[in-house]
Amino acid sequence: QKEVEQNSGPLSVPEGAIASLNCTYSDRGSQSFFWYRQYSGKSPELIMSIYSNGDKEDGRFTAQLNKASQYVSLLIRDSQPSDSATYLCAVMGKGAGSYQLTFGKGTKLSVIP
Amino acid sequence: EPEVTQTPSHQVTQMGQEVILRCVPISNHLYFYWYRQILGQKVEFLVSFYNNEISEKSEIFDDQFSVERPDGSNFTLKIRSTKLEDSAMYFCASSRDSHNQPQHFGDGTRLSIL
Repeated sequence: QKEVEQNSGPLSVPEGAIASLNCTYSDRGSQSFFWYRQYSGKSPELIMSIYSNGDKEDGRFTAQLNKASQYVSLLIRDSQPSDSATYLCAVMGKGAGSYQLTFGKGTKLSVIP
Repeated sequence: EPEVTQTPSHQVTQMGQEVILRCVPISNHLYFYWYRQILGQKVEFLVSFYNNEISEKSEIFDDQFSVERPDGSNFTLKIRSTKLEDSAMYFCASSRDSHNQPQHFGDGTRLSIL
C-alpha cells in the first residue's frame, strides 16, 4: 500500500511569514511529485511539480525534493491570507498496470492577517 | 487557459439508482482519470483511462463502476447501483502524458445518495 503522509495541521502563520509544508512517501520508486492547493469545497489546483532532487522555485513557492529521504516540501514565502487553504501532496508511482497518483490527507494552512 | 469541465455540479440520486457523471477533458490531453473525495477525507484514485481502455484502477473501482469515452470529447463515470457510501465529490482529471505531466482537475460533481 503506497502511503503519502502529511501533518494535517492546522498550520497557522502570520501574514508575510514563510509557511513550510512537509510530506513523506513510502514508495521509493515514485517518480513525480506535485503540490495541489484545495480551497474548501473546491477542486485541487496544481501549484508545483518537481521531478528531481533539489529545489524548484516558482514565484513565492519553492518545492524541495529529497528522494533518498523520501521527503517533499513546499515553502510559501510572504504568505498572504489568500494562501489559506489545504495543501495536498501527491506522488506518482507505478501501480499494477500503469501509473497512479496518490494523495496525502493534506495540511490545512491558515494565514493570519 | 483550457479547463476540464464536469457536469452536473451536484447530483442527487436515490440509493440503488444508476448515475452517470460527465467530464470533458482538456482537448489535447490523452490520459483521463476519475477520483473521489469523501467529505473530510483525502482524494482517492479510482481509475485511469488511455487509448480507449482502462490502464489502472484501484480497489474502490469495483464492478459497480464503469468508464467510457462515448465520443471524441466526453469521458463518463457510471455507477450502476448507487449505495449511501458512494456519496462524495467526484473529480475528473486529465494529463498530456501518464506519469510525468501534471494532472489538471475539473471542478467536481457532488454526488448525494439518499
